[in-house]
Amino acid sequence: LAKTTQPISMDSYEGQEVNITCSHNNIATNDYITWYQQFPSQGPRFIIQGYKTKVTNEVASLFIPADRKSSTLSLPRVSLSDTAVYYCLVGDFGNTGGFKTIFGAGTRLFVKA
Amino acid sequence: EAGVAQSPRYKIIEKRQSVAFWCNPISGHATLYWYQQILGQGPKLLIQFQNNGVVDDSQLPKDRFSAERLKGVDSTLKIQPAKLEDSAVYLCASSPRQSYGYTFGSGTRLTVV
Repeated sequence: LAKTTQPISMDSYEGQEVNITCSHNNIATNDYITWYQQFPSQGPRFIIQGYKTKVTNEVASLFIPADRKSSTLSLPRVSLSDTAVYYCLVGDFGNTGGFKTIFGAGTRLFVKA
Repeated sequence: EAGVAQSPRYKIIEKRQSVAFWCNPISGHATLYWYQQILGQGPKLLIQFQNNGVVDDSQLPKDRFSAERLKGVDSTLKIQPAKLEDSAVYLCASSPRQSYGYTFGSGTRLTVV
């Protein structure tokens, strides 16, 4: 399983766009990239996943360059409620059908008023 | 759709005692995961079930931890005997087959004193 590297923490202000970049130099051909968000006293929550290029949903966008060795989670116009830990993960389904991945330490995003 | 249910929410025990956690995944989810999350760290996978079979327990301390998933639905995780370093949040997650996104429960916070 590919290891990921993210900044330990980031600060932002309300209304700004936040970009969190994740490095995954050893990503394998079958690996997909997923991002999770975790608030205190809660389990992580799935945000977005992608394989290549750009993916957008109602919460965030995910940008993946052609070499797939990194990815960037983009949160548009953050609010105080976006203060959380964000995890970047890579993994695949293997032979079992269950997605297999490893959580790193994540990026602690603090949004200020 | 009901979420992943876990109980108890909190547990305090003395070292060398035993404890059990219960998880009820989302109906129809084939894959079930147990994670351990120590304060300030990302979740660490303990065991992964596909239906009622174990597909990965490589990081489960088998001398003291055990888990089962009867009939491919509910699951229990047991620690016997507990050590101080087992103090953590124990998270259960489930996902459909071939799905990138896990749904996590709120976890059980274990304190070993």
